[in-house]
Amino acid sequence: DVQLQESGPGLVKPSQTVSLTCTVTGISITTGNYRWSWIRQFPGNKLEWIGYIYYSGTITYNPSLTSRTTITRDTSKNQFFLEMNSLTAEDTATYYCARVRRGVFDYWGQGTTLTVSS
Amino acid sequence: DIQMTQSSSYLSVSLGGRVTITCKASDHINNWLAWYQQKPGNAPRLLISGATSLETGVPSRFSGSGSGKDYTLSITSLQTEDVATYYCQQYWSTIFTFGSGTKLEIK
Repeated sequence: DVQLQESGPGLVKPSQTVSLTCTVTGISITTGNYRWSWIRQFPGNKLEWIGYIYYSGTITYNPSLTSRTTITRDTSKNQFFLEMNSLTAEDTATYYCARVRRGVFDYWGQGTTLTVSS
Repeated sequence: DIQMTQSSSYLSVSLGGRVTITCKASDHINNWLAWYQQKPGNAPRLLISGATSLETGVPSRFSGSGSGKDYTLSITSLQTEDVATYYCQQYWSTIFTFGSGTKLEIK
């Protein structure tokens, strides 16, 4: 069964950089035709797609976040990562990782909460 | 970016009743539309893709329809477990976008 699990620091200070990890089990992230994505949900419940990494390693970002977002992966650990810099309080959200199947998010992690506060 | 508008933030429906949730795209999305259900404390769950295709395990009381810019999610014979927030998402554009959500409550 496909499962995704996010992990992260929980609390970071403004202007800092955060790294989040998504560990995938049940399928290799190099399996063809899937993308692996990050999505965030703000307090108030708005959902925002952040970006994804293809099974091939190609990456696509939401243009609104591309300047301060990096998605990478470690295929040996079947993990992919989100790094976001220059954080502000407006980045406070629940961050989800998800599998993308032909444009839809069919498997999600349970989410990790990130609070940006001094 | 393609904007997705769910005009109803809240809907109140009687148990056993029928409800229709609407989603309007700012541009034609050619049925590249998905619906998700989210219960408090949980991640969204994919219900429908391609505007009308029910995911495996989703009850048949859920259905999707629409074309062009306008899409709907219908739920018949509403059950207590259907109380949730429902989101639409377009994937016609390479920049995926979501609607703001419609919270379903029992009357």
